[in-house]
Amino acid sequence: KNEVEQSPQNLTAQEGEFITINCSYSVGISALHWLQQHPGGGIVSLFMLSSGKKKHGRLIATINIQEKHSSLHITASHPRDSAVYICAAHRMNYGGSQGNLIFGKGTKLSVKP
Amino acid sequence: DAGVIQSPRHEVTEMGQEVTLRCKPISGHNSLFWYRQTMMRGLELLIYFNNNVPIDDSGMPEDRFSAKMPNASFSTLKIQPSEPRDSAVYFCASSLVGGLAGATLSYEQYFGPGTRLTVT
Repeated sequence: KNEVEQSPQNLTAQEGEFITINCSYSVGISALHWLQQHPGGGIVSLFMLSSGKKKHGRLIATINIQEKHSSLHITASHPRDSAVYICAAHRMNYGGSQGNLIFGKGTKLSVKP
Repeated sequence: DAGVIQSPRHEVTEMGQEVTLRCKPISGHNSLFWYRQTMMRGLELLIYFNNNVPIDDSGMPEDRFSAKMPNASFSTLKIQPSEPRDSAVYFCASSLVGGLAGATLSYEQYFGPGTRLTVT
């Protein structure tokens, strides 16, 4: 079992739909990243969070440390949101220092007009 | 700011040749990360530096891979000798990481455009 699991693997939505991508992890973490990889290959960091919720435009990321779960939501989805969304967890080392990053396999989102 | 700069953007080489990938992080960032992405394995962290010092190189696949960061504005990832299975996209990213009372605070990472390596 991977230490970081994402679901679904693939997601097709109609423009305007509310989208949720889930990320579960099994290790102690100091932070969790959500990344967006465009069809051209470029990677953009969307959020880095260690508790609660963050919002940026139509994107919302939440994390529940107790349940070891994070979600990325997209409101009023648009075809330009089509991309691969990757969850990455900063493993927490003994003593609380930052360890290495472990990645989910990504969720490929396609938003149809 | 120009963002993270990587060169070359594309590299095609023959098996056995030495390959050197280059990265210039964002000015002021103190951490630099090298990643590899393949269809089979997705994104993997190879190594990361903090204040030019390698902190975790457990992701470096073999002794054929080496990375250096001689100063705060430049890093290289070298593969010698290269093999076809090294074909991948290699990303460099930088961020600002702060230490506070034994814990570390990490901030968002900024990725370079990647180097697409093909080893024939």
